[in-house]
Amino acid sequence: AQRVTQPEKLLSVFKGAPVELKCNYSYSGSPELFWYVQYSRQRLQLLLRHISRESIKGFTADLNKGETSFHLKKPFAQEEDSAMYYCALSGDGNQFYFGTGTSLTVIP
Amino acid sequence: DADVTQTPRNRITKTGKRIMLECSQTKGHDRMYWYRQDPGLGLRLIYYSFDVKDINKGEISDGYSVSRQAQAKFSLSLESAIPNQTALYFCATSDTSKRLFFGSGTQLSVL
Repeated sequence: AQRVTQPEKLLSVFKGAPVELKCNYSYSGSPELFWYVQYSRQRLQLLLRHISRESIKGFTADLNKGETSFHLKKPFAQEEDSAMYYCALSGDGNQFYFGTGTSLTVIP
Repeated sequence: DADVTQTPRNRITKTGKRIMLECSQTKGHDRMYWYRQDPGLGLRLIYYSFDVKDINKGEISDGYSVSRQAQAKFSLSLESAIPNQTALYFCATSDTSKRLFFGSGTQLSVL
């Protein structure tokens, strides 16, 4: 069965410090991995997809199939990065499975 | 203008009542989803639909039903609401690139 694990419910970092939000997954096939973000009083929105290999708002994430991980990283955190972050997996069936989320707080 | 619209935004109901949450979209997507969000549990899939004639159960479909009235409309019903169905409910659509687009959510409280 597919599963997405985000081990940290809460994460606090100081402004300017590096940040890493962890995501591990289990899936027997070839998954597609995503990061979604929910800023205060806004809708959930796509941050980035592994297949695009893009950097959005300074964030990157690399799919590591050996470690079954898709950690989200940013070298220098900003206050506006404070939000709820969800890692999500999509398998062959076009369903999406979400982790439990990590609430990131960037301390000024 | 919102592409994915959920109504109502908030609803308080009593145990045993039937309630319907509505979702409409102007994105022209075939795929639509209903999720519930609970603190510490993240988003869990209730039902999903890939077109008007295709309805599928998700992880936690018990106690819920759905109706896909048209490509643009996907409603979620609670046949007999119970307190542990108190949650934030999200509707979403997805495009062919597997990007999800969410509504603003419906906060449901069952007393």
